[in-house]
This record gives sequence, C-alpha cells and structure tokens, in this order.
Amino acid sequence: SQQGEEDPQALSIQEGENATMNCSYKTSINNLQWYRQNSGRGLVHLILIRSNEREKHSGRLRVTLDTSKKSSSLLITASRAADTASYFCATDEEGGETSGSRLTFGEGTQLTVNP
Amino acid sequence: DSGVTQTPKHLITATGQRVTLRCSPRSGDLSVYWYQQSLDQGLQFLIQYYNGEERAKGNILERFSAQQFPDLHSELNLSSLELGDSALYFCASSVLVGTDTQYFGPGTRLTVL
Repeated sequence: SQQGEEDPQALSIQEGENATMNCSYKTSINNLQWYRQNSGRGLVHLILIRSNEREKHSGRLRVTLDTSKKSSSLLITASRAADTASYFCATDEEGGETSGSRLTFGEGTQLTVNP
Repeated sequence: DSGVTQTPKHLITATGQRVTLRCSPRSGDLSVYWYQQSLDQGLQFLIQYYNGEERAKGNILERFSAQQFPDLHSELNLSSLELGDSALYFCASSVLVGTDTQYFGPGTRLTVL
C-alpha cells in the first residue's frame, strides 16, 4: 500500500513561477526523501529531511516536514522547463540504525513547467 | 549519474520464462535495494540486502528471489513470468544498513509478452 500521498497529482505552471507539492503519510518515520523522475527513467535523489528537522534547503528546493500532521511539502522556486518531471516523496519508516530500511513511495506529482 | 549500474536496460521475454536482472552498487555502498515500478502498483519496495545478507523484505512474490554476492553486486531473479510482471525494476544502493539516502540506478524495463 502507498504510505505517501502527493497532492496535487498534476501541476502545470509557467517558467519562473514557484511550484509546491505536498505529501502526507501515515506512520512514524525516520526520514522523508524527495525524488525526481523524468519520464520512464531513473529516480534522482533531491533531498532528505530527518524526522527531527523541520525545514531544509538545497539550491532552489525547500522542503518542510511537520511530523505532527504527518506531512511534507516540496517547494521549487523560479521553476525552469527542465524541472518538468514527476516528483515523489518517500518515507523511511521507523526502525533502528542497524535494522533494514525500505522506502515507501507516494504516487507522485507530475509537474509541467511551460516555457 | 548516480553511480549505480543496472543491466540490461531492456528485456523482452515470454510468459513462463525466467530472467535475471543485475545491479552494481555505488563504490563503497554495502546496501542494495530492489524496487518495482508499474502503472497499477506504483513504486514498490521488494527487498534489501546488506553486505550479503537479506535485511528487509517487502512485497516480493515467491517467484522472485534476490541475492548479493561477495563483490556486493546483486541479482534479482524473476521466474514463471506473467504478463503482470512487466514493469521497471530499479536497484538502489546506500552506505548504511538502516535509514540513509538511497541512490537509484537507471532501471531495467521488463516486458513480458
């Protein structure tokens, strides 16, 4: 079953605008990761935010995490046509540092940035 | 380029057949993960190996098996293939056994006819 649910399912914006995608999850987590996937290709890791962090930045990306609401958001500022892709959140559920790990992915948000 | 390699890129086979997908992790990574991406199920975790040992198991069918070899490369074996096994199969790797950034390979696209 899908742990994360992204919202919206699809987003279409103009170059230069900001894009915000949201993710909700159900269980306690160690961390939450965001990935990008260009059509039919591999997943590119964007950012990891740990459960004890509330906000993280990487270039034009800003991720927030609210563990009380079990939700996260990904903001892409000053979007470019090259940002067109599917964006997935993935949660790593609680388990010790020595226990195994698994990522549970949401269904993704398809972002289209129009030139 | 994540540093994770997967072969082959594409695989077309018939129902009932058996195939082997291969993954080489990033240099220094001890954990290897396998994921399946299909249109109806989305991205699903299959199995994790760490330094040769199975460490976590997801929704992996009994017809599927995996192993990690001493040189840390991994193979995913899919047998008695069905049409519904057609999907993208991704391998990912990480340094740690537990919670850690996972780096994904380009995937193997399997088509079962």
